[in-house]
Amino acid sequence: DGGITQSPKYLFRKEGQNVTLSCEQNLNHDAMYWYRQDPGQGLRLIYYSQIVNDFQKGDIAEGYSVSREKKESFPLTVTSAQKNPTAFYLCASSMRRSDTQYFGPGTRLTVL
Amino acid sequence: KQEVTQIPAALSVPEGENLVLNCSFTDSAIYNLQWFRQDPGKGLTSLLLIQSSQREQTSGRLNASLDKSSGRSTLYIAASQPGDSATYLCAVEDTNAGKSTFGDGTTLTVKP
Repeated sequence: DGGITQSPKYLFRKEGQNVTLSCEQNLNHDAMYWYRQDPGQGLRLIYYSQIVNDFQKGDIAEGYSVSREKKESFPLTVTSAQKNPTAFYLCASSMRRSDTQYFGPGTRLTVL
Repeated sequence: KQEVTQIPAALSVPEGENLVLNCSFTDSAIYNLQWFRQDPGKGLTSLLLIQSSQREQTSGRLNASLDKSSGRSTLYIAASQPGDSATYLCAVEDTNAGKSTFGDGTTLTVKP
């Protein structure tokens, strides 16, 4: 059963804490992406990776970090430097850059 | 910087009606344009992907068109059903950047 999984579904963070969101895909896709979605808005790109051990900043990378040590995994860390992290986070993958993107179910992060 | 606009922000129609959703973008140097569907609290599902060299794509009751020169795309939904109720987002991938810019979406309600 191929697809993209994200965990956890809901995450609560205290101010000053770092948290890591998981994204795993078994589609054998080269490219992976992290987006942030705020209520009533579209998606904004945080980071993307086109190949293992390589990634690029998107439009709103400040306060976030990623790694791409394995083809199937692209975890996102939300650091304490991110001033307003409460949002819905979506991970996506595509076979290659510019191919159809497939999305995971999302993680809703709330800062307490 | 690419900007993507979707008008209207919300649309309500009776079941059975044909409808058109609009997407406009400011920079015509695009690689492709993709239409997505998002149900509340869920990830995105890809509906149609139009390459920059194409004029339209069709899938079932959906037809998407692309006019690069005018910076516009439309998503036509025929014979709408209550199950079509969702938010529809368009995303444009820039030629050079390898990343997508999303519109804020149109929330469609189809009333029985």
